[in-house]
Amino acid sequence: DQQVKQNSPSLSVQEGRISILNCDYTNSMFDYFLWYKKYPAEGPTFLISISSIKDKNEDGRFTVFLNKSAKHLSLHIVPSQPGDSAVYFCAASEYGGNEKLTFGTGTRLTIIP
Amino acid sequence: GAGVSQSPSNKVTEKGKDVELRCDPISGHTALYWYRQSLGQGLEFLIYFQGNSAPDKSGLPSDRFSAERTGGSVSTLTIQRTQQEDSAVYLCASSFRELGVYSNQPQHFGDGTRLSIL
Repeated sequence: DQQVKQNSPSLSVQEGRISILNCDYTNSMFDYFLWYKKYPAEGPTFLISISSIKDKNEDGRFTVFLNKSAKHLSLHIVPSQPGDSAVYFCAASEYGGNEKLTFGTGTRLTIIP
Repeated sequence: GAGVSQSPSNKVTEKGKDVELRCDPISGHTALYWYRQSLGQGLEFLIYFQGNSAPDKSGLPSDRFSAERTGGSVSTLTIQRTQQEDSAVYLCASSFRELGVYSNQPQHFGDGTRLSIL
């Protein structure tokens, strides 16, 4: 049972445009959500997170939006840069738990120069 | 460096052999997690340590898998009698977490050990 889903395995975006990566979840106990970026042969790098008490969190070019009623979150990158080309993982943890992360299967983002 | 360090970076071994994977977390981080990523899959939780104790081993796939953490720092993940389905990238992460406090701190990952079972 996939509790965190990234339905787009890949996405291509023109440099300078907005990249939007989407993530859906099914477990209503999730209350902390994170986005990680991963380059080949490296571990995931933490990008940005959001707590369920918020609906938006912004950090530079990265903004995460959370829609709790729809159990949906998205990561916006604007403007997109070639160095943003990587695999992006959405992850979630459950309130009151040990904060172990449940991951989606990732979206490969390619920025076209 | 100051990040999570894992060794070896690559390990190739024959089916049936035992392997040990090592993780050195970020200094001061109390929580340590092991995950694995099989080909084409997302990361899958294996085990969680708070200090030296492992309150959650629910993700270990079989009794061939075990892990320990000594001195609240370095952790080793041991796989006995390896099978081909154990081939994956094994990732370690750490975070600062006070026992009993829900803190929403992000986990920071090492670069993983790529394990290949022949």
